[in-house]
Amino acid sequence: DAGITQSPRYKITETGRQVTLMCHQTWSHSYMFWYRQDLGHGLRLIYYSAAADITDKGEVPDGYVVSRSKTENFPLTLESATRSQTSVYFCASSAPPSGRGKKQFFGPGTRLTVL
Amino acid sequence: EDQVTQSPEALRLQEGESSSLNCSYTVSGLRGLFWYRQDPGKGPEFLFTLYSAGEEKEKERLKATLTKKESFLHITAPKPEDSATYLCAVQGREDTDKLIFGTGTRLQVFP
Repeated sequence: DAGITQSPRYKITETGRQVTLMCHQTWSHSYMFWYRQDLGHGLRLIYYSAAADITDKGEVPDGYVVSRSKTENFPLTLESATRSQTSVYFCASSAPPSGRGKKQFFGPGTRLTVL
Repeated sequence: EDQVTQSPEALRLQEGESSSLNCSYTVSGLRGLFWYRQDPGKGPEFLFTLYSAGEEKEKERLKATLTKKESFLHITAPKPEDSATYLCAVQGREDTDKLIFGTGTRLQVFP
């Protein structure tokens, strides 16, 4: 089925370990986004990508690394996980912006716990 | 700086008791205001896009309206299955790539 998928759905790791969250979309959307969702903060943008090999920082990029070698994939890596990175992570995609706003489509999320 | 504030934070309704959720925003040139529904343990699900003041959109028991400063999500005769968190987001002229989200309104509808 077409859509946006994330893996793993749940992950428990330890402080200092490297973790990679995967995101895959089948719509051929050029734009992809990574958010984290925490109580009291809502959805906050970590990184986004306008196309393959083009990425840019969002509101809370520190401690995260992204890459985008293929249009359909946008992995998010925590190079050295910290407890403050315990959160629910959502990937989203959209068509390119135009004169009118473009809606984003969200994946099911990855719940990450850093011990 | 673009900003979105949603109120109330939480709302408890009896089944059939109509009400409204508020989304106040400040943005430099609105390109779109978006409403999403989020169920526990799931990703946000798109509901509506509004582009200009005076615009309205409807879907089943939900109706979204837009003014130059705020948007309302009206829920008419809600049912328990309408229980969810409703998120509002804006996209402005200066940061056309991004959505700025509010913190949401958690709606609970009791039978």
